[in-house]
Amino acid sequence: QQQVKQSPQSLIVQKGGISIINCAYENTAFDYFPWYQQFPGKGPALLIAIRPDVSEKKEGRFTISFNKSAKQFSLHIMDSQPGDSATYFCAAYTGTASKLTFGTGTRLQVTL
Amino acid sequence: DAGVIQSPRHEVTEMGQEVTLRCKPISGHDYLFWYRQTMMRGLELLIYFNNNVPIDDSGMPEDRFSAKMPNASFSTLKIQPSEPRDSAVYFCASSFSPGTYYGYTFGSGTRLTVV
Repeated sequence: QQQVKQSPQSLIVQKGGISIINCAYENTAFDYFPWYQQFPGKGPALLIAIRPDVSEKKEGRFTISFNKSAKQFSLHIMDSQPGDSATYFCAAYTGTASKLTFGTGTRLQVTL
Repeated sequence: DAGVIQSPRHEVTEMGQEVTLRCKPISGHDYLFWYRQTMMRGLELLIYFNNNVPIDDSGMPEDRFSAKMPNASFSTLKIQPSEPRDSAVYFCASSFSPGTYYGYTFGSGTRLTVV
């Protein structure tokens, strides 16, 4: 059972554009929503995270928007750069299980 | 800190052989996770430990897979016998509190190819 649905599967954005990746979840017990960034040949690395008691969190060019009633959250990358080209995973965590459930990933390519 | 260290980085083995993957977590982290990544299934949690004790192994595919954590600084994932469908990248990750902004720290993975 896929508890965190992520879209799109792949995304091509021009340099300077906005990249948007969306995730939806079903389990209302989730209480922590991180995003991970993975470059080829490397493990995923924590990028930014949010708790459901806030609607938005911004760190530099990266912003998480969170809609608790819709059970959806998204990652926005402003002024996308070629160096942002990577695979992005959303995830959701519940303290009762002490583990993260990952989305299926979005391969982002930022072109010149 | 050197981060989470996995070895080997690449492993090519013949079907039926035993494979052992190794992981050294970050000192002080009390959670350790083993994940498998494939194009078809994405990141799958295989098993995780808390304070060296296995907590949830429901993701282990079958009895051919086993994992141990004999001490706080070392864990192994063993596949015996290996099969071509086990080919994947296996990641180890550690954390001292999974549900915080510190998140997981992943190793660079072991790319396993079973021929």
